[in-house]
Amino acid sequence: QSVLTQPPSASGTPGQTVTISCSGSRSNIGSNYVSWYQHLPGTAPKLLIYRSNQRPSGVPDRFSGSKSGTSASLTISGLRSEDEADYYCAAWDDSLTALFGGGTILTVL
Amino acid sequence: QLQLQDSGPGLVKPSETLSLTCAVSGDSITSDSITSDSYYWGWIRQPPGKGLEWIGSICSSGTTYYNPSLKSRVTISVDTSNNQFSLRLTSVTAADTAVYYCARRPVTSFSDWYFDLWGRGTLVTVSS
Repeated sequence: QSVLTQPPSASGTPGQTVTISCSGSRSNIGSNYVSWYQHLPGTAPKLLIYRSNQRPSGVPDRFSGSKSGTSASLTISGLRSEDEADYYCAAWDDSLTALFGGGTILTVL
Repeated sequence: QLQLQDSGPGLVKPSETLSLTCAVSGDSITSDSITSDSYYWGWIRQPPGKGLEWIGSICSSGTTYYNPSLKSRVTISVDTSNNQFSLRLTSVTAADTAVYYCARRPVTSFSDWYFDLWGRGTLVTVSS
């Protein structure tokens, strides 16, 4: 069981806005930055968000991240069919380990 | 464009040692190579049907950081002459069956932890 908790699934129709949550504790999300990854099976995971709300170059501004207390969120606006993928949050934990969430499967209906 | 290519045996017997290598290649060898002090190099795995698990990381100087749950069985090393880094996991069991990814992490504080470039992954099955 992952220490960072994500909903196992999320869905939306094209054009909608979807938010994926990631819940942790004071020792990880509460005191460290959060990163988010997009993963299509069989391919290399892709960094979407780092430092909780920063986008690497090349990531569309439809993807945004936020953090409050011990929780973080990834928001995808203007949902597209190509956004259908698995999404993972991650953060460093003060117990000297890195943690990933269990992943959220996003379906574009 | 920099690429990470992981490779190794797809099948390992129980109790034996899993060994994987990640080759770092691209057109910016000098600035993005394994010897750069701007990056850590790490391994992450994903068991079938499960989420991602961090295994450990290494920097060009050889300093390593391991997941405490795997630390007793893991060794990550760097081969600067061949621009690659490696993972060894000893005494494997079926629970170590997973897709293993190599990845790059910019040197920042631990608080600012993320991987900005990943390999495509290698499936390793532990079975007799």
